[in-house]
Amino acid sequence: KAGVTQTPRYLIKTRGQQVTLSCSPISGHRSVSWYQQTPGQGLQFLFEYFSETQRNKGNFPGRFSGRQFSNSRSEMNVSTLELGDSALYLCASRKGQGDVNTEAFFGQGTRLTVV
Amino acid sequence: GDSVTQMEGPVTLSEEAFLTINCTYTATGYPSLFWYVQYPGEGLQLLLKATKADDKGSNKGFEATYRKETTSFHLEKGSVQVSDSAVYFCALGDATNAGKSTFGDGTTLTVKP
Repeated sequence: KAGVTQTPRYLIKTRGQQVTLSCSPISGHRSVSWYQQTPGQGLQFLFEYFSETQRNKGNFPGRFSGRQFSNSRSEMNVSTLELGDSALYLCASRKGQGDVNTEAFFGQGTRLTVV
Repeated sequence: GDSVTQMEGPVTLSEEAFLTINCTYTATGYPSLFWYVQYPGEGLQLLLKATKADDKGSNKGFEATYRKETTSFHLEKGSVQVSDSAVYFCALGDATNAGKSTFGDGTTLTVKP
């Protein structure tokens, strides 16, 4: 079955612009989480959506937002881009919520470069 | 809050050498523990997991045992191959928020022929 699909794979934006990243989870998976990966900070949790509702949020400024649609696809948006937002953004899907034992399936990520 | 500490890399080994990557954690409750692997240009893939104390996760020759008394989950492999070259992440699952995992900083492993 198809894995987690993230689009686009690569993106170059200018400071001050905004960007929208997309994630299509594995079919039947209802939980989508987003992570930011940078060389200096490692993998940091952004937020998690389940059934179109944000369930958890990490310590990121309000410029980072997201949403989930009824088909479980998710988007994240970053407004007023800063150079420090350059990172690999990873999306992970899980089948349900509340089961801490289930693994997360990751997409290949979107490489965002802010210039 | 929850945290994961991994041994710093990079780690460079010769083929067929023994591998250990240390991982310790701090968490409330009884989290599940995971090792993920990331190959160049790819997302993370689950390598193995353990859900309770003394559980041993294993996959592709890799093993890790959930040690509650030492809050550790060290990754081991008896004989590494060039194809094992990747970045390895130790992670714990939040016992109350399953969608949130806390990751270590990652350890880069390079295996030379």
